Amino acid sequence: QYVLAQTASVSGSPGQSITISCTGTSRDVGSHNLVSWYQQHPNKAPQLIIFEDYLRPSGVSSRFSGSKSGNVASLTISGLQAEDEAYYYCCSYGGAFNWLFGGGTKLTVL
Amino acid sequence: QLQLQESGPGLVRPSETLSLTCSVSGGSITNTNHYWAWIRQPPGKGLEWIGNIYYDGSVYYNPALRSRVTISIDTSKNQYSLRLMSVTAADTAVFYCAPNVVPGRFDPWGQGTLVTVSS
Repeated sequence: QYVLAQTASVSGSPGQSITISCTGTSRDVGSHNLVSWYQQHPNKAPQLIIFEDYLRPSGVSSRFSGSKSGNVASLTISGLQAEDEAYYYCCSYGGAFNWLFGGGTKLTVL
Repeated sequence: QLQLQESGPGLVRPSETLSLTCSVSGGSITNTNHYWAWIRQPPGKGLEWIGNIYYDGSVYYNPALRSRVTISIDTSKNQYSLRLMSVTAADTAVFYCAPNVVPGRFDPWGQGTLVTVSS
């Protein structure tokens, strides 16, 4: 069981937009502006794509965007491309120097 | 640019202690903007934060693993290490090291190392 809840899978066609949600609580997602998102391709290490709820590291496509409302953080990928097919994990500061991950969402590009 | 590399045995016997080291290059492990993290991923499953260490030796552990985990740091070697005691098959995972950049992101990650617990 993971503290942060993510939909197990989502799919979309090339060019479409999809949104992945990450549901926490008022003690973690809702209390700190410290949600980050990671993309993981098969047999590869995770890579940071969003940090501090909505900031994008240099080099990450502007097609990736993050937002948050209350205890729910969201990752939106617009203009889906085949290379976006991967697992996506959210992460949040949980207080008391703890860090929490979601269970991951598998994105399939149809 | 920071690079991290995990190293250690790929096979550990049940009840024994798993030991891994993360070597940091391209930057100093005494950087005050970084904590240094261990994260694991069982095969086919999600990510689990194990713990963080700061250059001064301050450590923070996942409560679920606290009784079995020790993270240490060697600033002279620009390395930090993980020890996980009394392992079982459930501890089989790919172990990653990564800096936890203040205020809070894990970036970049090491390539990961698979540790299998089996007799």
